[in-house]
Amino acid sequence: QVQLVQSGAEVMQPGASVKVSCRASGYPFTGYYIHWVRQAPGQGLEWMGWINPNSGGTNYAQKFQGRVTMTGDTSISTVFMELSSLRSDDTALYYCARDPGGNPTFDYWGQGTLVTVSS
Amino acid sequence: QTVVTQEPSLTVSPGGTVTLTCASSTGAVTSGYFPNWFQQKPGQAPRELIYSTSNKHSWTPARFSGSLLGGKAALTLSGVQPEDEAEYYCLLYYGGAYVFGTGTKVTVL
Repeated sequence: QVQLVQSGAEVMQPGASVKVSCRASGYPFTGYYIHWVRQAPGQGLEWMGWINPNSGGTNYAQKFQGRVTMTGDTSISTVFMELSSLRSDDTALYYCARDPGGNPTFDYWGQGTLVTVSS
Repeated sequence: QTVVTQEPSLTVSPGGTVTLTCASSTGAVTSGYFPNWFQQKPGQAPRELIYSTSNKHSWTPARFSGSLLGGKAALTLSGVQPEDEAEYYCLLYYGGAYVFGTGTKVTVL
């Protein structure tokens, strides 16, 4: 069955970088885009960007350009999202979600990774 | 900055019908925005119910339907069940980028 399994919770200092992983199984890894979406405590969903694991191509939301980097490793069917220059308002649950491309659909989601930014 | 607006909250009786809408600050929502709808319950990841305006997944209950209504995307819940109480988000596509709606809290009472 399709699964996206994310790395565990992180506590980071302001100004640091965090790297969250999303390991895919149960489907052809290179055949689907992966989106990253975050949700601050008690707030709504925010789209951060996507990566095409086949080509390595990316597209980031304007808000995160210059601070986010999405990469993939096809040998381990895993994508990574790195966010730098962390601030307290980056504290959120970060989700990965699968998209087959064509008509956009976010059909399967990871369990979420809590990133807490605190001094 | 593009804003996608939804009703903050709606209340519906069990067995009733409720329609949620999704408006774009850029103008009328069309099928070219590929509206998607997600349900999120407390402590859970979002679950996509509707994609590309009106398409359902195998797990989407028949009582959920998507459409375009008066220049907005719409999600209609017919024959509402207690388990439909949740937060609902729409998602619109803007030529490579995506924007989530502000979310609607649906209460079944």
